[in-house]
Amino acid sequence: GAVVSQHPSWVICKSGTSVKIECRSLDFQATTMFWYRQFPKQSLMLMATSNEGSKATYEQGVEKDKFLINHASLTLSTLTVTSAHPEDSSFYICSARWDIQYFGAGTRLSVL
Amino acid sequence: AQSVTQLDSQVPVFEEAPVELRCNYSSSVSVYLFWYVQYPNQGLQLLLKYLSGSTLVKGINGFEAEFNKSQTSFHLRKPSVHISDTAEYFCAVTPGTGGTSYGKLTFGQGTILTVHP
Repeated sequence: GAVVSQHPSWVICKSGTSVKIECRSLDFQATTMFWYRQFPKQSLMLMATSNEGSKATYEQGVEKDKFLINHASLTLSTLTVTSAHPEDSSFYICSARWDIQYFGAGTRLSVL
Repeated sequence: AQSVTQLDSQVPVFEEAPVELRCNYSSSVSVYLFWYVQYPNQGLQLLLKYLSGSTLVKGINGFEAEFNKSQTSFHLRKPSVHISDTAEYFCAVTPGTGGTSYGKLTFGQGTILTVHP
């Protein structure tokens, strides 16, 4: 089956630093990847759609300058949380679309 | 736009009992429907999907779901649950045709299934 790898699985950082999260499709090429955010005991909220070779499309209310997305190849998309603050602490999940969306295992970000 | 409502936030059941997790959706266009399972601190695993064809869809781990277009529902069922089925379950929809929302998943609020021995 289609496998999506997300790295790191857990990251702790100091307030004001930047954190990069990688999402890779291991056995298929994905022109489109998605980034979601999940708060505790809540559902997944789509943050942005990442398209290979073009700018990401952000959902309403998501700060594009804070959540930088780069989709430089057909198998890799990255999400960089810039100048992270405690309120950015959350569970971030990526997915890659082939026939349907396949999800990574998620990254838990804790900002101290 | 689409919306998804999972009618139960928590469902406790005993092991080997049947279970039904309810999902209703709203959409002005045709949709594809999905059920995902999420174990603690993990991503989402696809249980089953409805794209077209037979309205009764069978998935992994003994789960099945039935698409009811007239009632706009896609309830998930399992005839006999195990302790290992304890997890959170998400119903999701995506437009079945093109447009700006094509490929975007809209999730329900999730249902926590707890299986007791």
